[in-house]
Amino acid sequence: GNSVTQMEGPVTLSEEAFLTINCTYTATGYPSLFWYVQYPGEGLQLLLKATKADDKGSNKGFEATYRKETTSFHLEKGSVQVSDSAVYFCALYKTSYDKVIFGPGTSLSVIP
Amino acid sequence: DTEVTQTPKHLVMGMTNKKSLKCEQHMGHRAMYWYKQKAKKPPELMFVYSYEKLSINESVPSRFSPECPNSSLLNLHLHALQPEDSALYLCASSQIEGITANYGYTFGSGTRLTVV
Repeated sequence: GNSVTQMEGPVTLSEEAFLTINCTYTATGYPSLFWYVQYPGEGLQLLLKATKADDKGSNKGFEATYRKETTSFHLEKGSVQVSDSAVYFCALYKTSYDKVIFGPGTSLSVIP
Repeated sequence: DTEVTQTPKHLVMGMTNKKSLKCEQHMGHRAMYWYKQKAKKPPELMFVYSYEKLSINESVPSRFSPECPNSSLLNLHLHALQPEDSALYLCASSQIEGITANYGYTFGSGTRLTVV
């Protein structure tokens, strides 16, 4: 079946450190891939997306590349800030699936 | 307008109360969703409405009753809830057809429900 696996954390980094959160997926066909972010006490926000192989999604300094050959969509940021502290969900979606499939989420804490 | 608006933001209700959650979007999305999210977990799908008709019910107890009065509005009616139903309830919407159909969901900020 379709599924998403990601490192669960928690991940703790110092400000300005490099961030990588790994995400791999299992899916039929060619789904779109997403990273959603959830700040404390809030709902989910779409951070970035990629709709086909080799696409790179980017937003707010975060990037992720859709790698069909490794079925991965790893999230990266060159220099994290305290304000990036949140839970990050990797997800996949295709209209034929009827619903978004989420990974378990990765909690990130950035300390000054 | 690129938002999904949920009201209220917070709700405390007793186990014998009846209350409703409201969700509204004006993006022309024809699919709308209710999710339940417990702390430190991903959202769990509850219901899907497609073209204002219920298309998916993920075996949700009947004390949760969804309603889609029109293409912009989604309600979740609550009755006789249990303390374990306390959670963040998220509404989302998405396009079903066209170029943006695979662009994922737009989520609201949620209603934090506490059942006492």
